Amino acid sequence: GAGVSQSPSNKVTEKGKDVELRCDPISGHTALYWYRQSLGQGLEFLIYFQGNSAPDKSGLPSDRFSAERTGGSVSTLTIQRTQQEDSAVYLCASSWDQGTAYEQYFGPGTRLTVT
Amino acid sequence: GQSLEQPSEVTAVEGAIVQINCTYQTSGFYGLSWYQQHDGGAPTFLSYNALDGLEETGRFSSFLSRSDSYGYLLLQELQMKDSASYFCAVRRNAGNMLTFGGGTRLMVKP
Repeated sequence: GAGVSQSPSNKVTEKGKDVELRCDPISGHTALYWYRQSLGQGLEFLIYFQGNSAPDKSGLPSDRFSAERTGGSVSTLTIQRTQQEDSAVYLCASSWDQGTAYEQYFGPGTRLTVT
Repeated sequence: GQSLEQPSEVTAVEGAIVQINCTYQTSGFYGLSWYQQHDGGAPTFLSYNALDGLEETGRFSSFLSRSDSYGYLLLQELQMKDSASYFCAVRRNAGNMLTFGGGTRLMVKP
């Protein structure tokens, strides 16, 4: 595809359930980022992948959050035992490589609502 | 730690010029990016400054002063479609991540 795609666009889940959010970066982009954005707030960095290197997980808020990237392309963000404070828009972005981290291309996001 | 400060909200009229400031405190500063986000939309890249001075891209310009830890985004000939949130983001140590500010909501009025 031409841009970053994310699925689902919306997810409503009950507290305590696990959710998986998917990101498909721009073809050829080796760097992939996950952010979280609460209503009216800035972007909170979660995790970063660069090629086959170990991911930078420094932004993950708790051990309930994890992410993987298969084959250097598609990434999945998993939230276990969801809590109401996890409700937010989860944004994925990609860039050509870490050298172009200043110019990231964002997907439309997944709006997660935990009831 | 790191911190970025932006005004939370700015209002201007169509056709005017508006400046959105961003001050930052961070170690290993490498550059400052600006992004635009319309309500319900994804952030889109506007500009990047790694060196002091002004970068111009059409109606939008971005400025950086590394010695003052300060930058701004200048929007000229404002249009209604410029109503959006604008985020500054710091890049550290030639590295691989951006730290975003809280964003400035710009409202353009007729």
